[in-house]
Amino acid sequence: DAKTTQPNSMESNEEEPVHLPCNHSTISGTDYIHWYRQLPSQGPEYVIHGLTSNVNNRMASLAIAEDRKSSTLILHRATLRDAAVYYCILRDGDSGGSNYKLTFGKGTLLTVNP
Amino acid sequence: DVKVTQSSRYLVKRTGEKVFLECVQDMDHENMFWYRQDPGLGLRLIYFSYDVKMKEKGDIPEGYSVSREKKERFSLILESASTNQTSMYLCASGEGLADYYEQYFGPGTRLTVT
Repeated sequence: DAKTTQPNSMESNEEEPVHLPCNHSTISGTDYIHWYRQLPSQGPEYVIHGLTSNVNNRMASLAIAEDRKSSTLILHRATLRDAAVYYCILRDGDSGGSNYKLTFGKGTLLTVNP
Repeated sequence: DVKVTQSSRYLVKRTGEKVFLECVQDMDHENMFWYRQDPGLGLRLIYFSYDVKMKEKGDIPEGYSVSREKKERFSLILESASTNQTSMYLCASGEGLADYYEQYFGPGTRLTVT
């Protein structure tokens, strides 16, 4: 499975933008990049996903490098409710049918200061 | 918004008891999943179901069974609970199995087996 590398932790101030990086240098051409987050004592929550182009939704933006070896999740204005563990996941589009499961790594613990 | 609910947030059972964990989704999704999440081990897939009465084993099915009699409901059964099944159990649902579909999680059930 293609692996991702994320910083263990990051800190931000409320109302400021947050850029959460993810490296995936061994990504293949069919891998989708997914982001989930998990708030304390909650189940994971889908945030966003993309393949090649940058993506925006109501929660966040996903910026994907041209070579696809890295991506950045952007929270435009962090709030205290955004404090969570953020997981960057590659879902293999060519894994012979086993691509339905999500595999979370350690993720990035985001702390938001008031 | 997709809603996935789980029958209990916290559960304490004794070794050898039969345990039922129930999950209900309200988005008419074809696919439902049961994961467990343990510190240092991440998320692991126990079973998933792609249709009513259909099920497939995930990575760690031993000691578990599942039931899907109705599209919106997916139950996880621990036939004879053991202490190594103490964990956070997460149910998820999704529209499709392909790698570009997101999964929506419930709040989780923290099960303690004593």
